[in-house]
Amino acid sequence: QQPVQSPQAVILREGEDAVINCSSSKALYSVHWYRQKHGEAPVFLMILLKGGEQKGHEKISASFNEKKQQSSLYLTASQLSYSGTYFCGTSDTGRRALTFGSGTRLQVQP
Amino acid sequence: DGGITQSPKYLFRKEGQNVTLSCEQNLNHDAMYWYRQDPGQGLRLIYYSQIVNDFQKGDIAEGYSVSREKKESFPLTVTSAQKNPTAFYLCASSMTGTSSGNTIYFGEGSWLTVV
Repeated sequence: QQPVQSPQAVILREGEDAVINCSSSKALYSVHWYRQKHGEAPVFLMILLKGGEQKGHEKISASFNEKKQQSSLYLTASQLSYSGTYFCGTSDTGRRALTFGSGTRLQVQP
Repeated sequence: DGGITQSPKYLFRKEGQNVTLSCEQNLNHDAMYWYRQDPGQGLRLIYYSQIVNDFQKGDIAEGYSVSREKKESFPLTVTSAQKNPTAFYLCASSMTGTSSGNTIYFGEGSWLTVV
């Protein structure tokens, strides 16, 4: 079953923060976050394994709540380059492939 | 350079034709995947393969076929049975299956349009 992402879209001004959520009804092994620019392939941002660890990459970080089967992506002090569509991909022990959410479209304006 | 190469980048298909999309990787990855993306939508899994000569159906396998005769190659054939094939097709690979904690990396994608 496809994970649910929220919000579907968000518009920010440069320097503002955003949170993107991803939730699943299945017990997850890992959550993977990607960013896709229009017409291009998704680019890997980070992976979170079960255990509730939080990871960071410059001003982008993420958390994984194993009990709730939820992950959140945190974008702080957003830059124009952060614009794009963000996807979460989830992996459970039943299938060795990622199932992706429908995406969150993020637009950062000057 | 190591990576995933998809070809062609753009492909036009006439009604009733079969077409094959190529995907080659030189990352020495065991697992390979095909996803379909419709405009403004997410990625949906067509087929995946964990090892040579073995593959599994994904969520939307009807009208598609694949083969995995070599580790580095995973071609996708869009058959005439696929009634609405116009989409962006993405090939991906990972060291092993994603349940092992490995993430997947994508090729540049192929745009298929029915004319």
